[in-house]
Amino acid sequence: DVKVTQSSRYLVKRTGEKVFLECVQDMDHENMFWYRQDPGLGLRLIYFSYDVKMKEKGDIPEGYSVSREKKERFSLILESASTNQTSMYLCASSLTGLGTATYNEQFFGPGTRLTVL
Amino acid sequence: AQKITQTQPGMFVQEKEAVTLDCTYDTSDPSYGLFWYKQPSSGEMIFLIYQGSYDQQNATEGRYSLNFQKARKSANLVISASQLGDSAMYFCAMREGGDSSYKLIFGSGTRLLVRP
Repeated sequence: DVKVTQSSRYLVKRTGEKVFLECVQDMDHENMFWYRQDPGLGLRLIYFSYDVKMKEKGDIPEGYSVSREKKERFSLILESASTNQTSMYLCASSLTGLGTATYNEQFFGPGTRLTVL
Repeated sequence: AQKITQTQPGMFVQEKEAVTLDCTYDTSDPSYGLFWYKQPSSGEMIFLIYQGSYDQQNATEGRYSLNFQKARKSANLVISASQLGDSAMYFCAMREGGDSSYKLIFGSGTRLLVRP
């Protein structure tokens, strides 16, 4: 089974702090994603990565950065946390579509509920 | 414009009955895929079912089926014989651009509550 793990289930930080959210997947997936989930808005893509050291902005990248130094690990960084970044953060991974016979569905971690005070 | 629309914020269903969760989508890409995910209160997103735009038949996975009406751009999820464990948030999502693409666009979700 694919396993995607996130470093914390719950996190409380103060405004202005630098925050690191870590995500690790164990199925050698090329693609990794960071979403935030807010009530009534569904999941919105922050950043994704299709290879080591490669990243692309999603729909709401402002205030966030990412790092992918190893294939299995994708980190989301809040350089200076603000209260409007209080949210649920979900990490996901998937295979690329090329030459595979799967749906290339995304597999999700359990989420990190971040509160910024 | 919304690419994925789920118009039902919340729904109730009686245990053992069937329920339909609505999803409409908007794309001009001829190649796309539609996904349904379930999110229990524990938070993790669980993949349920997939429908490709070129698939001739509606997808089915156990008690889940997808009522795919391409001309109407709808991809409703049907859950048969509802169980208490089906109480969760359900998200419809679309991937444009064929299997080599990987970005998903999610709807706002529907919260389903199964009554005993």
